[in-house]
Amino acid sequence: AQRVTQPEKLLSVFKGAPVELKCNYSYSGSPELFWYVQYSRQRLQLLLRHISRESIKGFTADLNKGETSFHLKKPFAQEEDSAMYYCALFYNQGGKLIFGQGTELSVKP
Amino acid sequence: DTGVSQNPRHKITKRGQNVTFRCDPISEHNRLYWYRQTLGQGPEFLTYFQNEAQLEKSRLLSDRFSAERPKGSFSTLEIQRTEQGDSAMYLCASSRTGANVLTFGAGSRLTVL
Repeated sequence: AQRVTQPEKLLSVFKGAPVELKCNYSYSGSPELFWYVQYSRQRLQLLLRHISRESIKGFTADLNKGETSFHLKKPFAQEEDSAMYYCALFYNQGGKLIFGQGTELSVKP
Repeated sequence: DTGVSQNPRHKITKRGQNVTFRCDPISEHNRLYWYRQTLGQGPEFLTYFQNEAQLEKSRLLSDRFSAERPKGSFSTLEIQRTEQGDSAMYLCASSRTGANVLTFGAGSRLTVL
């Protein structure tokens, strides 16, 4: 079955520290993976997708098919990065996005 | 175009009442999705439409839930005989077919007393 797992519900770091939000997936097909972010009182929005291979707001994520992972990384966290982060898998056969449970990132000054 | 619009933003109802939520997608998007999100959880897929056709329904969508998209534009999600367990944020999203990037609305929060 298709599944996305984010093992950490909360990740707390200090400003300037490196950040890694973990995401593992289960999917028998060719995965298309995304990170969505939800800032306080804002709607869910796309942060990045693996096929774009771009860095958004200093965040990057690399798809590792061997480890079935798509971890989100940023070398130096900023306070404005504090938000809920959701990893998601697009399930092509079903035409839908499957989300993980989310990780709350808290960046302290 | 102001993005995906959902109404009402918040609905408080008594158990047993019916409620309806409306979603207006981005105009050129032919796919429309409904998700449900409860506290501490990620969004859970409920159903989606391609134009006016409802292509998939989750097992989460009991017989009390019905969704329509009659003209392939806006969609409604109706919950009949609401239960306290229906209390959640109901999210709508839209996309172009094949784009696989969903744009979400702000959500409609349902509170069942």
